[in-house]
Amino acid sequence: TQLLEQSPQFLSIQEGENLTVYCNSSSVFSSLQWYRQEPGEGPVLLVTVVTGGEVKKLKRLTFQFGDARKDSSLHITAAQPGDTGLYLCAGSTSGTYKYIFGTGTRLKVLA
Amino acid sequence: NAGVTQTPKFRILKIGQSMTLQCTQDMNHNYMYWYRQDPGMGLKLIYYSVGAGITDKGEVPNGYNVSRSTTEDFPLRLELAAPSQTSVYFCASNPGAGELFFGEGSRLTVL
Repeated sequence: TQLLEQSPQFLSIQEGENLTVYCNSSSVFSSLQWYRQEPGEGPVLLVTVVTGGEVKKLKRLTFQFGDARKDSSLHITAAQPGDTGLYLCAGSTSGTYKYIFGTGTRLKVLA
Repeated sequence: NAGVTQTPKFRILKIGQSMTLQCTQDMNHNYMYWYRQDPGMGLKLIYYSVGAGITDKGEVPNGYNVSRSTTEDFPLRLELAAPSQTSVYFCASNPGAGELFFGEGSRLTVL
């Protein structure tokens, strides 16, 4: 059974602080994605990582895929209230298009 | 562009009733998915399809059925509704090894 565990489950920080969210599994994934979800809406893709050790940067967000392709992290620099939301990782194993989602990290950034 | 369209957006069912959640996509994507999301949690995969006529179970298929007679449509059937099926249901499509495109969700309450 594939499981994607995210930590922390909840995070409340002040504007300007840095934070890291983790996504861990015992399974190897061919690709891993990060989504953000606003209340009442479906998740929206932030990034896809496919190569072990890969690092991608999107403005203040940095995503890393573990060397063994079993884990990933999302780092936000100088968080802003607009970053508030539910962050979800999702992965599929090699040869399948069965996308499993992580347990979610709910982030609240206070002004 | 319509993208992924789900109907209905809201529904209240009595225990033991049945219903079908409709999902249509106009992007000609082969891959389609049904997820459920309980309050404050991540998404759990119910069923998915890799093309017309092909469906497979996800993480939590019990109590649900699906069919995929066309590329565009992927309805989810709930038989004998139970309170445990109270949730928000999301349909998604994927062109293959890429972004999941989500509908706006269907909020179901079983009383």
